[in-house]
Amino acid sequence: GAGVSQSPRYKVAKRGQDVALRCDPISGHVSLFWYQQALGQGPEFLTYFQNEAQLDKSGLPSDRFFAERPEGSVSTLKIQRTQQEDSAVYLCASSLGRGGGRGETQYFGPGTRLLVL
Amino acid sequence: KNQVEQSPQSLIILEGKNCTLQCNYTVSPFSNLRWYKQDTGRGPVSLTIMTFSENTKSNGRYTATLDADTKQSSLHITASQLSDSASYICVVTLFYNAGNMLTFGGGTRLMVKP
Repeated sequence: GAGVSQSPRYKVAKRGQDVALRCDPISGHVSLFWYQQALGQGPEFLTYFQNEAQLDKSGLPSDRFFAERPEGSVSTLKIQRTQQEDSAVYLCASSLGRGGGRGETQYFGPGTRLLVL
Repeated sequence: KNQVEQSPQSLIILEGKNCTLQCNYTVSPFSNLRWYKQDTGRGPVSLTIMTFSENTKSNGRYTATLDADTKQSSLHITASQLSDSASYICVVTLFYNAGNMLTFGGGTRLMVKP
């Protein structure tokens, strides 16, 4: 069956440009997570949705980062006025239930590699 | 300070050899510990999940161990194959239901050479 998909796979942006990254979770999955992964590092949490509700956005690094999941399925991570330090891989993950951390497997997408010049 | 530390940062072994990757954590309270495999250009894929009451969990040639008293885990790979070349990430789950439940280690980059 289809896994988590993300688009675009690669994005090059000029500093100051706005970007939008898309995540299609596994159908029926309640929980959706966004992570930022710097080169050679482990992923770091950005934000978490349970259906359409954004329950935790404590990991978003600044108010330039905004995420939404309006219908409880597809999610978009938007970065406004991109900076060079935003360059990273942005991973999306989904899990079936509400408590994505407690014993449930998170299924990750392939990531979007963002390069800000 | 990172609450999940992995060692070594990178490792090169010959095909067919065994290896052990280490994970030390300070995250508390602790719900479960996972090991993920991440191929280059791909998202992480779950290998094992262990609760604090489990000491060991196997998945084929991968065996994870956990000592909740010393807050240490290891991932042992037996009879390595070229396809094992990847990053292996240790992830500790906090014992509460919120988004920032998973704390990731920095990973160990394993290269298996023929």
